[in-house]
Amino acid sequence: AQSVAQPEDQVNVAEGNPLTVKCTYSVSGNPYLFWYVQYPNRGLQFLLKYITGDNLVKGSYGFEAEFNKSQTSFHLKKPSALVSDSALYFCAVRVALTGANNLFFGTGTRLTVIP
Amino acid sequence: NAGVTQTPKFQVLKTGQSMTLQCAQDMNHNSMYWYRQDPGMGLRLIYYSASEGTTDKGEVPNGYNVSRLNKREFSLRLESAAPSQTSVYFCASSVLGGSSYEQYFGPGTRLTVT
Repeated sequence: AQSVAQPEDQVNVAEGNPLTVKCTYSVSGNPYLFWYVQYPNRGLQFLLKYITGDNLVKGSYGFEAEFNKSQTSFHLKKPSALVSDSALYFCAVRVALTGANNLFFGTGTRLTVIP
Repeated sequence: NAGVTQTPKFQVLKTGQSMTLQCAQDMNHNSMYWYRQDPGMGLRLIYYSASEGTTDKGEVPNGYNVSRLNKREFSLRLESAAPSQTSVYFCASSVLGGSSYEQYFGPGTRLTVT
């Protein structure tokens, strides 16, 4: 069975510092991994995905994520945090057993960027 | 291009009342999904529709029914609302097949059952 773990409920970082939001996964077969961001009172917005290829994937708003197969991790990173990056971040893995592109989500990590 | 739209944005129900949450997408996607979001639990899949004419249960289907009205629209019905169904509900859509596996989400419906 698939699972996604986001070990930190809350991450605080100073503006201008690098940020990392952690995600580990467990799937059978090749993992298809995703990051989404949710701003207050909004729906989820797609940030980036790893399907195959280069282990470092780049996405929207300057975010990137590194796929590490040996550590079964897919951490979200940004070199320099902005106050506007403060939001709830979700990691997700595709469940490939069904006909649709079902996603299984982690419990989310709240990122606060301190001015 | 409105993307995924949901109505209503907010709703308060009394226990035992029924209601239907509406969702529509204009991206010509085949697949549509309903999730609920509860604090500390992330998003959990209620029902999904891989393509027009099909629906399947997700992780937490009890107390809900769905209808895939056409390719654009996917509704979620609560026949007899319970306080445990107080949540934020999100609809999403995606293509079927190809290499674009990501889902696109609507703005959500905040439902309170008293």
